[in-house]
Amino acid sequence: DAGVIQSPRHEVTEMGQEVTLRCKPISGHDYLFWYRQTMMRGLELLIYFNNNVPIDDSGMPEDRFSAKMPNASFSTLKIQPSEPRDSAVYFCASSSDIVGEKLFFGSGTQLSVL
Amino acid sequence: KQEVTQIPAALSVPEGENLVLNCSFTDSAIYNLQWFRQDPGKGLTSLLLIQSSQREQTSGRLNASLDKSSGRSTLYIAASQPGDSATYLCAVRPSSNTGKLIFGQGTTLQVKP
Repeated sequence: DAGVIQSPRHEVTEMGQEVTLRCKPISGHDYLFWYRQTMMRGLELLIYFNNNVPIDDSGMPEDRFSAKMPNASFSTLKIQPSEPRDSAVYFCASSSDIVGEKLFFGSGTQLSVL
Repeated sequence: KQEVTQIPAALSVPEGENLVLNCSFTDSAIYNLQWFRQDPGKGLTSLLLIQSSQREQTSGRLNASLDKSSGRSTLYIAASQPGDSATYLCAVRPSSNTGKLIFGQGTTLQVKP
C-alpha cells in the first residue's frame, strides 16, 4: 500500500482565499483523522471520521473550517476564507480501528497564508 | 483536562549511547499510549503502542514502558545511531470510545557520529 497520501505538499495563498487540502487514506482503514501542527500548539486533532461519518469535530477552530469525506478513499479539509493564523502543517492520518491499532500519518500539507 | 509533557525539548548524545526519553500525563485514566517518530518535513511514524493494561513494549532497539499510576512513560533507545536523529512524540488516548490522541510537544534528538 502507498500509505496515506496528501496533496498538495505545499500551499501558499493570500489571506481571504479558499484553500482545499486533500487526503487519501490507506485502503481498508475505517477511520480518518485531520490534525494540525504548529510550533506554539503542537499537534491538535481537528476532526475525525468513522466510515465516512464525522464523529468528533470539536477541534475545528471555527466556521471557516469544514471537512468532508464523500467516500472511503477521499477526504477534504477546506478553509474559507483563509487567514495568516491558519498557517501550519496539516496532517491526515488513518487507522483500521481506534482501540488497539496504530495510527498512520501522511506527509502533511505545509500551508502558508500571506 | 489531560495534558502531556515531554522533557527535555531537545537532547544531543554521541553515537552508541543508551538514552531515555520521558513523557508525563496529568490524568492517569488513559486507554493507551503511543510513541511516534517525526523526521523533518515528514509525517509521524508510530513506533510503539502500549495498552493501559501493559507495562512495556519492545521493538528492536526500542523499549517503551508505562506507569499509569504515576502518569509516566519512557522510551528507551539502546545503542543510539545517527539515523535515530528525529523528533519523538508521545500521545495518549483518553478512552476506548474516542479516536482523539493528545500529543506532547516532542523531544528532538540528535545523535552525533
